Amino acid sequence: DVKVTQSSRYLVKRTGEKVFLECVQDMDHENMFWYRQDPGLGLRLIYFSYDVKMKEKGDIPEGYSVSREKKERFSLILESASTNQTSMYLCASSLYKGKLTYEQYFGPGTRLTVT
Amino acid sequence: AQKITQTQPGMFVQEKEAVTLDCTYDTSDPSYGLFWYKQPSSGEMIFLIYQGSYDQQNATEGRYSLNFQKARKSANLVISASQLGDSAMYFCAMSPTYNQGGKLIFGQGTELSVKP
Repeated sequence: DVKVTQSSRYLVKRTGEKVFLECVQDMDHENMFWYRQDPGLGLRLIYFSYDVKMKEKGDIPEGYSVSREKKERFSLILESASTNQTSMYLCASSLYKGKLTYEQYFGPGTRLTVT
Repeated sequence: AQKITQTQPGMFVQEKEAVTLDCTYDTSDPSYGLFWYKQPSSGEMIFLIYQGSYDQQNATEGRYSLNFQKARKSANLVISASQLGDSAMYFCAMSPTYNQGGKLIFGQGTELSVKP
């Protein structure tokens, strides 16, 4: 079974702190994603990576950066956390299924509260 | 712009009845994929069903079926014989297949509550 793990289920940080959210997948997937989930807005893509050291901005990259030094690990960084970054963060990796389609596998999520 | 719209923030259904969750999408791409995910209160995203834009038949997976109407750009999820365990958030999502890696565009979600 594909497994995507995230370093914390719940995290509480103070405004201005640097925050690291870690994601690890064990199936050698090339593509990894960070989404943010807010009520009434669904999931929105923050960043994604299709290879080691490669990254692309998603729909809402402001205030975030990412790092992918190894294929299995994709980190989301909040350089200076703000209260409007309080949210659920979901990591995913994807597997090519053929016919130009991919299936995404999600981690359990990290609920971040910034106070 | 590509967009997914779910117009039902919340739905109620009686146990053992069928329910339809609405999803419309907007894209100019000729080739794309449509997905439904279930998110229980525990938070994990569970893949339910997939429909490719060129698939001739509607997708089915057990009690789940996807009512795909390409001309109307709709991809409604039908759950037959609802169970209490079906109570969850449901998300419709689209993946433009030209995109590298299969990133997903999600709708706002529908919260389904199954009544005993």
